[in-house]
Amino acid sequence: QQQVKQSPQSLIVQKGGISIINCAYENTAFDYFPWYQQFPGKGPALLIAIRPDVSEKKEGRFTISFNKSAKQFSLHIMDSQPGDSATYFCAASTGETSGSRLTFGEGTQLTVNP
Amino acid sequence: DAGITQSPRHKVTETGTPVTLRCHQTENHRYMYWYRQDPGHGLRLIHYSYGVKDTDKGEVSDGYSVSRSKTEDFLLTLESATSSQTSVYFCAISEGREETQYFGPGTRLLVL
Repeated sequence: QQQVKQSPQSLIVQKGGISIINCAYENTAFDYFPWYQQFPGKGPALLIAIRPDVSEKKEGRFTISFNKSAKQFSLHIMDSQPGDSATYFCAASTGETSGSRLTFGEGTQLTVNP
Repeated sequence: DAGITQSPRHKVTETGTPVTLRCHQTENHRYMYWYRQDPGHGLRLIHYSYGVKDTDKGEVSDGYSVSRSKTEDFLLTLESATSSQTSVYFCAISEGREETQYFGPGTRLLVL
């Protein structure tokens, strides 16, 4: 049962363009929404995260937009660069007392062409 | 990789054999997690630990067991490996229950 749905599966963008990846969730108890970036042969690394008390968070070229009523959140990469080519995962968790149990989306393979 | 090592990094084994993967951290973080990564599924939580000897099941725990006898080590055991357990396994750690999870470099396991 996939509680976090991610789209698209793959994305090709030209250098300087905007990359947009979308995620939708079902569990209204989720209260933490991170995005992870993964390069081939490496473990995922936290890129940016948001909590549902804000609708947008920006860090450099990366922005998360959050729509609580629609149960959707998205990652926008502005001025995309070839070095951004990686697999991106959205995730969500409820931050239970016994640990933050992340539920991941299926992943989006982003290719930025020079 | 935030002071996390996984061993072995690659392993090929046969169906029915036991396999143990090790995660070692030097960060003294309380929480440790085991995930598996498969195409089309993202990462799925297998088991996690919230302290020494304190563990709980994740989303896909069947066929796996874990142990944590020291803060720095979290072991994942496949009691009798099956081909469906061929995957890339990642260990993660976090300082607090709502803190960022940091991932290790992964272990590629092939079960023939």
